[in-house]
Amino acid sequence: QSVLTQPPSASGTPGQRVTVFCSGSNSNIGSNTVNWYRQLPGTAPKLFIYNNNQRPSGVPDRFSGSKSGTSASLAISGLQSEDEADYYCAAWDDSLNGFYVFGTGTKVTVL
Amino acid sequence: QLQLQESGPGLVRPSETLSLTCTVSGGSISSTTYYWGWLRQPPGKGLEWIGSIHYRGTTYYTPSLKTRVTISVDTSKNQFSLKLSSVTAADMAMYFCARHPFTPGTSRNWFDPWGQGTLVIVPS
Repeated sequence: QSVLTQPPSASGTPGQRVTVFCSGSNSNIGSNTVNWYRQLPGTAPKLFIYNNNQRPSGVPDRFSGSKSGTSASLAISGLQSEDEADYYCAAWDDSLNGFYVFGTGTKVTVL
Repeated sequence: QLQLQESGPGLVRPSETLSLTCTVSGGSISSTTYYWGWLRQPPGKGLEWIGSIHYRGTTYYTPSLKTRVTISVDTSKNQFSLKLSSVTAADMAMYFCARHPFTPGTSRNWFDPWGQGTLVIVPS
């Protein structure tokens, strides 16, 4: 029941800046903060950005998050080969008594 | 360092009940500031939150699964559990447990860290 929409893929060459977009609605991104998770192949997701733009300890400052209205984005600057992964946005949705919803996911490929 | 580990049967027959347990180590499940959550990911698909529980028993469930899901907590064992009834092939997925820093009505709401996950197969 993903209600957050992401492009299926994004790509860039090493060193480039790549941005992943996430589109929601007033009941989720428009009303609540956005988190981003990174999932490397065959592993569990890992929190990469919380509260729109906060980085947990250990996440490089090459990663930055932002939110505007009902959309959010994750920017990766200085793209590296190890950044190749699936990235998911997520937020709380206030409808139907509230639930946590993930985006459809974006596969970032380093060319 | 907090760690979570999922355990349970890797195969559940259609119409039966899926039961999984998450064991928390390196920290107490009886923390007032955290919930504990279950999430899943069907093969090749995206992530879905199933529900979360506070050690005092307060639960939140995703609407689409609410009628089939029960999450419980056992503080004496530092564990919490998931039961999903009447499973179908659509419930086949990797199931993850995670700590859920969650304060209702505030911006404090994410999942970190996650367990490694356990694959549950539902044969058709």
